[in-house]
Amino acid sequence: RKEVEQDPGPFNVPEGATVAFNCTYSNSASQSFFWYRQDCRKEPKLLMSVYSSGNEDGRFTAQLNRASQYISLLIRDSKLSDSATYLCVVNIKGYGQNFVFGPGTRLSVLP
Amino acid sequence: SAVISQKPSRDICQRGTSLTIQCQVDSQVTMMFWYRQQPGQSLTLIATANQGSEATYESGFVIDKFPISRPNLTFSTLTVSNMSPEDSSIYLCSLQLTSGRETQYFGPGTRLLVL
Repeated sequence: RKEVEQDPGPFNVPEGATVAFNCTYSNSASQSFFWYRQDCRKEPKLLMSVYSSGNEDGRFTAQLNRASQYISLLIRDSKLSDSATYLCVVNIKGYGQNFVFGPGTRLSVLP
Repeated sequence: SAVISQKPSRDICQRGTSLTIQCQVDSQVTMMFWYRQQPGQSLTLIATANQGSEATYESGFVIDKFPISRPNLTFSTLTVSNMSPEDSSIYLCSLQLTSGRETQYFGPGTRLLVL
């Protein structure tokens, strides 16, 4: 089983739609969680950290369920500029830093 | 955050040659990392570049193939040695700032094609 799994997509949604991405992780000792965004031919950029209580940043809401080892990202009122690949990232602390990246979910927001 | 630059941004190389990629940061950072992203894949950590000591390599990566230098807190290099077409990939350096939350920030990447 892969350490971090995501819906591969692609998700094709119209502008204004709400879309949700799911991510599961296998290591119950994982310490911290992030969503990164990667545009085509660009480097990944931090979108938001995921806190235990859930957190919101504008149109983006992240949720963490430690018991189920599950992370989600909700995007409301999708914009064309939201089109990208969304990477779920888990920090498995142990020897040094150990960020494990999921395979990513590709989103296309259509006009 | 910090400003991270990588050189070269891209290169086309012949099989059997080596390429050294440079990563420069505009501030001192404790932890720097090197990742590989193969076409259509997610990121895989190659190694942690330790300042003043040997890099720490992940499973499947060895120093002979990917020697790394970290002479100071703002600079690191990754060499891809004796290249084969399977090494065609994007190579990214990243860093974790010494203060603030434990997030990683990435350089723009080096796009390598091996013929």
